[in-house]
Amino acid sequence: NAGVTQTPKFRVLKTGQSMTLLCAQDMNHEYMYWYRQDPGMGLRLIHYSVGEGTTAKGEVPDGYNVSRLKKQNFLLGLESAAPSQTSVYFCASSYSIVYTEAFFGQGTRLTVV
Amino acid sequence: GQQLNQSPQSMFIQEGEDVSMNCTSSSIFNTWLWYKQDPGEGPVLLIALYKAGELTSNGRLTAQFGITRKDSFLNISASIPSDVGIYFCAGCHGSSNTGKLIFGQGTTLQVKP
Repeated sequence: NAGVTQTPKFRVLKTGQSMTLLCAQDMNHEYMYWYRQDPGMGLRLIHYSVGEGTTAKGEVPDGYNVSRLKKQNFLLGLESAAPSQTSVYFCASSYSIVYTEAFFGQGTRLTVV
Repeated sequence: GQQLNQSPQSMFIQEGEDVSMNCTSSSIFNTWLWYKQDPGEGPVLLIALYKAGELTSNGRLTAQFGITRKDSFLNISASIPSDVGIYFCAGCHGSSNTGKLIFGQGTTLQVKP
């Protein structure tokens, strides 16, 4: 099992450019999440999805959009990248609201210059 | 947004020593999880706790779900060099219907051989 796979692993963007980060999970999990990790701040939730076709805002949603057209995929978009979005992005998935263990991808390191 | 208070922020210990870290929250959680993150990798689940007072072990790791449901601790016995990394606690609110996790800011562990 691949688990949770994120692409790309690294990316450098210029301010104002757009990009999409892809997350795929093969565990048939209902719940999927996007987090960002910044030094000294732990993991902060950007957006999440409780099922196919649903999305909701997390703690730090501004500047990001998401889509969950298929159960196994969760896309994170940056429409106009800003230097403040330089971070490491992690996708995670979990089975249910009862068993909430989240399984993480390996991360995408994004630099906006 | 709400955060967990995780302490200590960092530890530098000698190989063979025991380690203890903890997390506290101002609100009640139904779930406490402990993760470890190696450099350049995503967090990996170590232990999941679902019941107040629960004490669970995973090899040299032991974690407890506080009776008040507002805290948890993780102990590592007889540390070895591969224990190096960042340890995160995470909690899920009892009232949550999304499975969203709130993360602590992490404890960075360094082990001197």
